[in-house]
Amino acid sequence: EAGVAQSPRYKIIEKRQSVAFWCNPISGHATLYWYQQILGQGPKLLIQFQNNGVVDDSQLPKDRFSAERLKGVDSTLKIQPAKLEDSAVYLCASSLVGGRMETQYFGPGTRLLVL
Amino acid sequence: DQQVKQNSPSLSVQEGRISILNCDYTNSMFDYFLWYKKYPAEGPTFLISISSIKDKNEDGRFTVFLNKSAKHLSLHIVPSQPGDSAVYFCAASDAGGTSYGKLTFGQGTILTVHP
Repeated sequence: EAGVAQSPRYKIIEKRQSVAFWCNPISGHATLYWYQQILGQGPKLLIQFQNNGVVDDSQLPKDRFSAERLKGVDSTLKIQPAKLEDSAVYLCASSLVGGRMETQYFGPGTRLLVL
Repeated sequence: DQQVKQNSPSLSVQEGRISILNCDYTNSMFDYFLWYKKYPAEGPTFLISISSIKDKNEDGRFTVFLNKSAKHLSLHIVPSQPGDSAVYFCAASDAGGTSYGKLTFGQGTILTVHP
């Protein structure tokens, strides 16, 4: 069974530029999560989708971050414009139905460096 | 506000000995706890979990202990193997949270097992 796929794996941009990350969850998984992991910290949930609807985006900086999950499968996370403090690893995870005690499966992440 | 804390950034143990990783939490609404393991350039992978109705859960070499009164949990690895060298994240799920499936992570502990 293929795992969660993410691309690109690495991205370097200058501040004020825009960037987009892509995630393909495990086939059949209804729930998709985007986490931000800053160096030295644990992953922090940015947004959670149930199929193509948003369940929780309370920690998403909506003035610069946006995310969509069209057709309830792939998802894209965008930052526009990027700031230095956005340098982090962006992790995508998926789970079967989004139950609280369900295992979340993580992709390898996209490492973003903002100069 | 760090609701899940791993106060030891790193731990070094000898192969064959016990590794004990600790985690403290402050939110009394947390009722489900997980440990994830992360290798470099990979996403976190689920290791073991425990519900608040239990005080111990065992899976092979891995045992998680939960002390609800102290709001403390620990992961024991016995015997430790060099392949266990990774970053270990403690995570918690909130029974009263609005986001079903949202995990709050600690900062992680780097475990190094020396041959």
